[in-house]
Amino acid sequence: GENVEQHPSTLSVQEGDSAVIKCTYSDSASNYFPWYKQELGKRPQLIIDIRSNVGEKKDQRIAVTLNKTAKHFSLHITETQPEDSAVYFCAAIFHGGGADGLTFGKGTHLIIQP
Amino acid sequence: EADIYQTPRYLVIGTGKKITLECSQTMGHDKMYWYQQDPGMELHLIHYSYGVNSTEKGDLSSESTVSRIRTEHFPLTLESARPSHTSQYLCASSVARGWVTEAFFGQGTRLTVV
Repeated sequence: GENVEQHPSTLSVQEGDSAVIKCTYSDSASNYFPWYKQELGKRPQLIIDIRSNVGEKKDQRIAVTLNKTAKHFSLHITETQPEDSAVYFCAAIFHGGGADGLTFGKGTHLIIQP
Repeated sequence: EADIYQTPRYLVIGTGKKITLECSQTMGHDKMYWYQQDPGMELHLIHYSYGVNSTEKGDLSSESTVSRIRTEHFPLTLESARPSHTSQYLCASSVARGWVTEAFFGQGTRLTVV
């Protein structure tokens, strides 16, 4: 099955600076890469995603990039704000295939320092 | 309102007791999942289901069992609770829309075994 590695496990940045979280995946058949945000005490929610035929996708201050050759993808947050503090999870799945369980990376604690 | 519901939200139970964590979704999703998560930590997939009468074990070995008799209902049972089962349990369902697969999570059940 798919194996997703996520780094770093904890990331602390100054408010206003940028944050980058990286993930690698093992299954070259994976074609869909979502990112979930889990605020303290709340449930994870989808914030952005990218499919394998796209190299980059942006949504306001967040963007995701994908390198299919290297099998890695990254989440970029610019002009970080206190509400960005959360745990972020990446995932890689073969969309349209069978029904493997949705497997997430280990998560990254993003801490925004005032 | 279409959502995914988990009960109870909090449960403290003695060692050796049998417990069932309830999960119901009103969105008509075929795929459902159970994750074990210590606060702010990794999401461990313990069970998933493709649809009615389908259940599969996830990546994390678990002493729990699940059933899927109805589309909307995916309960998780621990036959004999142990302190090592103390954790948060998150139920989720997913839907594929076009090329997007989005997972929706319940609010979780925080289990403490004493």
